[in-house]
Amino acid sequence: DIVMTQSPDSLAVSLGERATINCKSSQSLLSSSDKKNYLAWYQQRPGQPPKLLIYWTSTRDSGVPDRFSGSGSGTDFTLTISSLQAEDVAVYYCQQHYTTPFTFGPGTKVDIK
Amino acid sequence: EVQLVESGGGLVKRGGSLRLSCAASGFTFSNTWMSWIRQAPGKGLEWVGRIKSKISGGTVDYATYVKGRFTISRDDSKNMMYLQLSGLKIEDTAMYYCTTGFGTAESHWGQGTLVTVSS
Repeated sequence: DIVMTQSPDSLAVSLGERATINCKSSQSLLSSSDKKNYLAWYQQRPGQPPKLLIYWTSTRDSGVPDRFSGSGSGTDFTLTISSLQAEDVAVYYCQQHYTTPFTFGPGTKVDIK
Repeated sequence: EVQLVESGGGLVKRGGSLRLSCAASGFTFSNTWMSWIRQAPGKGLEWVGRIKSKISGGTVDYATYVKGRFTISRDDSKNMMYLQLSGLKIEDTAMYYCTTGFGTAESHWGQGTLVTVSS
């Protein structure tokens, strides 16, 4: 199974400031056939099911604000929130959707400083 | 509008069985690959398994830890997906989510159904 790790475990950022979350996979998530990296990011607010933010490393899902961006390739990936808003307080998970069993990172909790 | 509604959760004793259901609407269910993902209380997300559409072969993939205890199935005539849980362990206590992604990652989630396994 592909093992996903995230750093940091948690972070506190001032409103309007940048938040950066890192995700690493134990194997490359780059598909040789379509040259896409199969890495997704989810946001989970308290008491809610997760919400897909980004898939294929950098494609935002419908309706996701453009302050959320994803980057990376191979085994190293990053989610950036360019200007943190109060509603962004949540736990963020990365997931590899490259090969089954699909696996998630342990999550990063984002709070307001 | 895509809707996924899970049901069937509850309290069950260790070693027992339970069948979870997912009612889908708002899309062409028979063409869609579906998944189950779970989350233990206060813990992270854990992929359970996925069933392909029949036109894609209808095959099912499971997480390694399932080890033959869980079975995912679908009834396209009813727009339903199922998760049969057996040999339940305390550590199977979790919220179980029905999800789908239409070829990408999991873009649609139900509200979940809670399974509690007691000793």
